[in-house]
Amino acid sequence: SQQGEEDPQALSIQEGENATMNCSYKTSINNLQWYRQNSGRGLVHLILIRSNEREKHSGRLRVTLDTSKKSSSLLITASRAADTASYFCATDASTNAGKSTFGDGTTLTVKP
Amino acid sequence: SQTIHQWPATLVQPVGSPLSLECTVEGTSNPNLYWYRQAAGRGLQLLFYSVGIGQISSEVPQNLSASRPQDRQFILSSKKLLLSDSGFYLCAWSGGQLVPEAFFGQGTRLTVV
Repeated sequence: SQQGEEDPQALSIQEGENATMNCSYKTSINNLQWYRQNSGRGLVHLILIRSNEREKHSGRLRVTLDTSKKSSSLLITASRAADTASYFCATDASTNAGKSTFGDGTTLTVKP
Repeated sequence: SQTIHQWPATLVQPVGSPLSLECTVEGTSNPNLYWYRQAAGRGLQLLFYSVGIGQISSEVPQNLSASRPQDRQFILSSKKLLLSDSGFYLCAWSGGQLVPEAFFGQGTRLTVV
């Protein structure tokens, strides 16, 4: 079963707007990661947040983690057309360390 | 720097034929290695993972098998492909619990006809 589930399934915005994607999970985790996938390509790691962290930043990316709600969000600020891709969260469960479980992803379209 | 190579990029195979997909990692030692399958529009399903040579864990019962003959080589195989084996296969490596970020190959699009 899927550990992480992203919401929304699809998101379409204009260039320059912010994009927010959410991820919910079911069990205790060691860490949560966000990945990006361009169509037909492999996944690229974006950012990792550990269970004892609440927020991390990397360039235009901001990730939050709320372990009490078992949820995370990925914010992309000032989006660009090149940000168009699918975004996945992956959780590394405390009882399954080293094996990340992926959700079905959010497909982001940024219109120029 | 570390790199991961996965080939071929695309493959069309008839039903009942064998399969061998290869993945190699450079620039690191004793990586955790993974094979995932991705259905269209979906997330990744973990098929196999390995924490060392000859150590393979299977996550789902299926028509596929995996082997790790060398530290940085991971092979996905099948003796007889089924139509349902079609999909996008991704190899990945990570540093394990201490370095859990996964780094992916470019994927193999397998079509069984």
